[in-house]
Amino acid sequence: KQEVTQIPAALSVPEGENLVLNCSFTDSAIYNLQWFRQDPGKGLTSLLLIQSSQREQTSGRLNASLDKSSGRSTLYIAASQPGDSATYLCAAPQGGSEKLVFGKGTKLTVNP
Amino acid sequence: DTAVSQTPKYLVTQMGNDKSIKCEQNLGHDTMYWYKQDSKKFLKIMFSYNNKELIINETVPNRFSPKSPDKAHLNLHINSLELGDSAVYFCASSNGGTGANVLTFGAGSRLTVL
Repeated sequence: KQEVTQIPAALSVPEGENLVLNCSFTDSAIYNLQWFRQDPGKGLTSLLLIQSSQREQTSGRLNASLDKSSGRSTLYIAASQPGDSATYLCAAPQGGSEKLVFGKGTKLTVNP
Repeated sequence: DTAVSQTPKYLVTQMGNDKSIKCEQNLGHDTMYWYKQDSKKFLKIMFSYNNKELIINETVPNRFSPKSPDKAHLNLHINSLELGDSAVYFCASSNGGTGANVLTFGAGSRLTVL
């Protein structure tokens, strides 16, 4: 059974800082991993999808890495801005199925 | 606007009532999902449909019944509502399943059972 853990649960940083969010998963037989952002009272927005054959995926100031062998993924945010404040969730498939298992998220606050 | 839209956004009702949440996507996706996010913010899949066919049916009470009249719509009907059903329900869609495809979520429907 896939379990996804995100550390830390909450993070507060000053504007401009580079930061890393961590995600670990127990079942490494995954074909991809996705990172999402959730703003308060809103749905999830997909940020990055990394295929199992990739090690990194980049979109603007965001860079996600995937290490299947260690069961870890990181989301790197460069030059953080107050608008980056949100909850970030990672999700991995369960047992090669279509079921995505979500972590509980990391709540990020970027202070001006 | 291309999107996944859910109605209603908020729903407050009494225990024992029956209610429905509707979802529509105009993205041309062939797969739709219902997720539940509880008070602890834990997001779990409930159902998925591909081209109107049920693909995933997680262990949810049979009081929850999804209906997909066509591949652009996936509605969720809940019978005999209980306090524990209070949560935010998210509809989502993708093209061809989550194997290599991004999920697009709706804004959520917050259900409160009194």
